[in-house]
Amino acid sequence: DAKTTQPNSMESNEEEPVHLPCNHSTISGTDYIHWYRQLPSQGPEYVIHGLTSNVNNRMASLAIAEDRKSSTLILHRATLRDAAVYYCILPVDTDKLIFGTGTRLQVFP
Amino acid sequence: DVKVTQSSRYLVKRTGEKVFLECVQDMDHENMFWYRQDPGLGLRLIYFSYDVKMKEKGDIPEGYSVSREKKERFSLILESASTNQTSMYLCASSLGQANRYEQYFGPGTRLTVT
Repeated sequence: DAKTTQPNSMESNEEEPVHLPCNHSTISGTDYIHWYRQLPSQGPEYVIHGLTSNVNNRMASLAIAEDRKSSTLILHRATLRDAAVYYCILPVDTDKLIFGTGTRLQVFP
Repeated sequence: DVKVTQSSRYLVKRTGEKVFLECVQDMDHENMFWYRQDPGLGLRLIYFSYDVKMKEKGDIPEGYSVSREKKERFSLILESASTNQTSMYLCASSLGQANRYEQYFGPGTRLTVT
């Protein structure tokens, strides 16, 4: 099963861009890369997913390396509300999302 | 917006009690999931369901059972609660097989078993 590696924590200042990295060197050709985040005292929230091409939505952008062994979630202008734990996830088998421990993002005013 | 609701935010039960955690989604999603979340362990999948009356074991089903009698409702049952089941329980749903990884989560139930 493909596994992901993320830094335990990162910091940012408000209104600055944030680049959250994820390594997934054993990814298979058909695995989608998913990102979720979990704000304090809330359930996880879907952020974005992609396969090969870079993806953008209203929340974030996902940049996927050409060899697909790593990806980066980009928050273009961090706000205090973006302080959360960010999970980079690859599906396991065909049914499951495995949430690791993620990256805790702190945003300072 | 998809809404996933859970019956309680906080629950305190005694060892040996039977515990029901209810989850309801309002967007006609086919798939529903139960996870538990513990510090340092992330989220772990307990059970999931792709359709009414169907259930599949996740990674840690021991000590739990589930029921899905209606499409919108997925219940997690602790037959005899134990202290090691003290945890945050999260329910999620997704639209269908093609979207099963885009899951919408409820706010969670923090269960304490004393």
